[in-house]
Amino acid sequence: GIQVEQSPPDLILQEGANSTLRCNFSDSVNNLQWFHQNPWGQLINLFYIPSGTKQNGRLSATTVATERYSLLYISSSQTTDSGVYFCAVVWDDKIIFGKGTRLHILP
Amino acid sequence: ETGVTQSPTHLIKTRGQQVTLRCSSQSGHNTVSWYQQALGQGPQFIFQYYREEENGRGNFPPRFSGLQFPNYSSELNVNALELDDSALYLCASSLPRQNYGYTFGSGTRLTVV
Repeated sequence: GIQVEQSPPDLILQEGANSTLRCNFSDSVNNLQWFHQNPWGQLINLFYIPSGTKQNGRLSATTVATERYSLLYISSSQTTDSGVYFCAVVWDDKIIFGKGTRLHILP
Repeated sequence: ETGVTQSPTHLIKTRGQQVTLRCSSQSGHNTVSWYQQALGQGPQFIFQYYREEENGRGNFPPRFSGLQFPNYSSELNVNALELDDSALYLCASSLPRQNYGYTFGSGTRLTVV
């Protein structure tokens, strides 16, 4: 089956810093998504980005499908950005999640 | 527009018992999927229901079963609970055959002792 790997596993930053989260996947996909899991456990869909670049406020994402990776950029981090960020792909009618990047933004 | 709600939010069960977790779909969504998230891991796909029938299943034993009702709400049942079943259980609703637009609930945290 497909493998979805995320890096780094943990990231601690000061408020105001920028960050880049990476997602590598082992096979061709056309449906990569980024989620943020808040401290209460809820998963919030950030981007559906099978290819190209999208931006939403301080967040942006880029997927290079031919090279099998995606990047999530967070600029001017705020403490409310803390939580776990997951990338996920739909494979064989199943959503396959990576293990996530745990982001801590310090005030 | 209502979101996805799950109940209960927390639950403690004893090994060997049975548990039922519930999920109501977002208005207009007729597909529901369930996930198990162990501590420090990403969610693992359990199964998906569409029109009251299971139409996709992950690598989980038969003691994990589900139901979807005509109003698109859903249940996850786990029999003969094991300690390793302790996890956050998430459900998500979506439109059929749509590989995006999933709305997740906040989950049920199950502890098996």
